[in-house]
Amino acid sequence: DGGITQSPKYLFRKEGQNVTLSCEQNLNHDAMYWYRQDPGQGLRLIYYSQIVNDFQKGDIAEGYSVSREKKESFPLTVTSAQKNPTAFYLCASLRSGVANYGYTFGSGTRLTVV
Amino acid sequence: GQQVMQIPQYQHVQEGEDFTTYCNSSTTLSNIQWYKQRPGGHPVFLIQLVKSGEVKKQKRLTFQFGEAKKNSSLHITATQTTDVGTYFCAGVKPNDYKLSFGAGTTVTVRA
Repeated sequence: DGGITQSPKYLFRKEGQNVTLSCEQNLNHDAMYWYRQDPGQGLRLIYYSQIVNDFQKGDIAEGYSVSREKKESFPLTVTSAQKNPTAFYLCASLRSGVANYGYTFGSGTRLTVV
Repeated sequence: GQQVMQIPQYQHVQEGEDFTTYCNSSTTLSNIQWYKQRPGGHPVFLIQLVKSGEVKKQKRLTFQFGEAKKNSSLHITATQTTDVGTYFCAGVKPNDYKLSFGAGTTVTVRA
C-alpha cells in the first residue's frame, strides 16, 4: 500500500544539537509539507515543496531547514537555532491537480529536547 | 495573514447526542477541508468543500460551507465512542497552495 513513512517515531535530542527527521512517500505526489503540532494548537506550516529541488518557507520556518533532492523524500532538519523544538512533527503530501483530495499525513515524529 | 478560528476547543458529548463544531476564516476561502485526528494518531482527511453553500454528508457527519465561503461547520448526529478525537478544519485562500489549520475541536464521549 502507498503511504508516507516518517522516522523515527520518537526522538530525543540534547540542546545545541541538530537533528534530521525523515519523510518518505511512495504515492507519487508532487507536493510535500512539514507541519508542527503543539498541544491545544492547530498545525503550523514549517516548509513546503511543490516540486523537486524547490521549496518555500511556511509560517514558522526559523530554525528549520529542508531539502527536496528526490520526489519521494523531504527531510526536515531541526537546528540548534530553533528555540523551542519539542513538538509533534507531521509530514504530508498532496496529489496535485486532482479535486477533492486532501493531504495524506505520515504518522509523525515526537521530538523531545532534553 | 489568514487566520482560521475554530470553536469550541473542547466538546464533551453524551453518547447518542448531536454536536456541531464551527470554523471561521478572516478571509474568503477557495475551499475548506476537514480532518480527524484520533488520540495519539495523525490527521486523516475527511472531506473538501468548494462551492458556496455546499453541504456534504458522510453517514452521521454533515459538513457545510457558508455562502460567503468564510465559514464552515461539522455536525455529528447520534455521537458514538468512535467519534472521539480532534476535528480540524483547514482553509485554502484563492491562488494559494497552503492549508491554514484551525486549532481543532477535541471531542470526548460519555457512555
